Formats: sequence, structure tokens, C-alpha cells
Amino acid sequence: GENVEQHPSTLSVQEGDSAVIKCTYSDSASNYFPWYKQELGKRPQLIIDIRSNVGEKKDQRIAVTLNKTAKHFSLHITETQPEDSAVYFCAAGNTNAGKSTFGDGTTLTVKP
Amino acid sequence: DAMVIQNPRYQVTQFGKPVTLSCSQTLNHNVMYWYQQKSSQAPKLLFHYYDKDFNNEADTPDNFQSRRPNTSFCFLDIRSPGLGDAAMYLCATSREGTPETQYFGPGTRLLVL
Repeated sequence: GENVEQHPSTLSVQEGDSAVIKCTYSDSASNYFPWYKQELGKRPQLIIDIRSNVGEKKDQRIAVTLNKTAKHFSLHITETQPEDSAVYFCAAGNTNAGKSTFGDGTTLTVKP
Repeated sequence: DAMVIQNPRYQVTQFGKPVTLSCSQTLNHNVMYWYQQKSSQAPKLLFHYYDKDFNNEADTPDNFQSRRPNTSFCFLDIRSPGLGDAAMYLCATSREGTPETQYFGPGTRLLVL
């Protein structure tokens, strides 16, 4: 089955700095890569996703890049704000399997 | 406006006493998922339904069962809860399965005494 590794497990940045979270996956059949933000005690919420026919996608301060050859994808948050503090999960999904496998999460802390 | 609804939000049960968690959706999505999430861990997929087709994860204990009587509702039954089953249980839906966005419910936090 799919195996997703996520790094780092914790990340602390100063407000205004950029944050980068990286994930690798093992199944070359995976074709969907969402990122979820989960605040304490709340549900995971999709913040951005990318499909395997695209190398990069951007939405305001958030961007995701995908390297299918190397089987890794990254989340980039620019101009971080304290409200960006949360746990971020990457996932790799497979059309045939009909499901996604989550990484272990990154706890991001943005210091004011 | 709630799209994926889970009841109850908090559930307390006794060791070994069967418990049922419920999920409903107003999105008319074909796929419904159940995840278990323990503190500081990633959501772990237990099983999912594509319409009426049930898909169990290989490592989901037999203690966990699910029912989907219609498109809108899905239930998680824990036949004999153990202390290790205390967790947040998240229901999610997607229109057609991966690659499609999953919409999560607010979760039910289960406490086993």
C-alpha cells in the first residue's frame, strides 16, 4: 500500500517568514495530493490540492509543488501569520484505490 | 449550512459496551469514509463506502463495523470498545472518491471508561 512520509514534524517560524513542509510517497499510481489544515479540536480542512498532471499550484499565500519523478510534494506558505498556526497533513490519493493516505502531520507555530 | 454532520459530538461509553456513532451528509456524495484520529496523530482510515460497496482497510479490527442504509447516512459500530478505542472519529465524504476533495465532519470524541 501507499506510504507517505512528512517532514518536519514540528516547525516554528517568525511571523512574516515562509514555511515549507515536505512529503514523499511510495506508490507511483498516486495521482491526487491534498493538504489539510487542522486546528486544535477541529476537523481537517482542505487548503490546497494538486493533481498529477500539474507541477505547481498557487492560491494567495499558499503554494504546492509536485515532483512525480522523485515522488515528493511540498507545501509553501509565505508571509506567515499567527492564524496559520495549526497541524498540517499531506495526503496521497489513488483513483483506483478510491482513498488517500495521510502523512503524520506537521505542527506549525507562527510566533508574533 | 452544515454539510457533514456527526452525532453526538462527544460520546462516553463503558468498556465492552457497544456504541454507535452516526454521520449524515447533505451533499449527496457517493463516498463516505470513517477515520480514527488519536491525539497528535494523523487520521487513520478504517473503511469507506462507494455507494453501497463497502471497503474495509486490512488493519481495521473486527471490533469496528459500519452500515450505510442510504446515501445520506453512515454509522460506525464499535462492538466491544476497549480503552485503546478512545479517539476522535471523523466522517468524511467525497463526490466520487479520489481524486476528489474530502469534506470532513466535526468528529465525535469517544471516551471509554
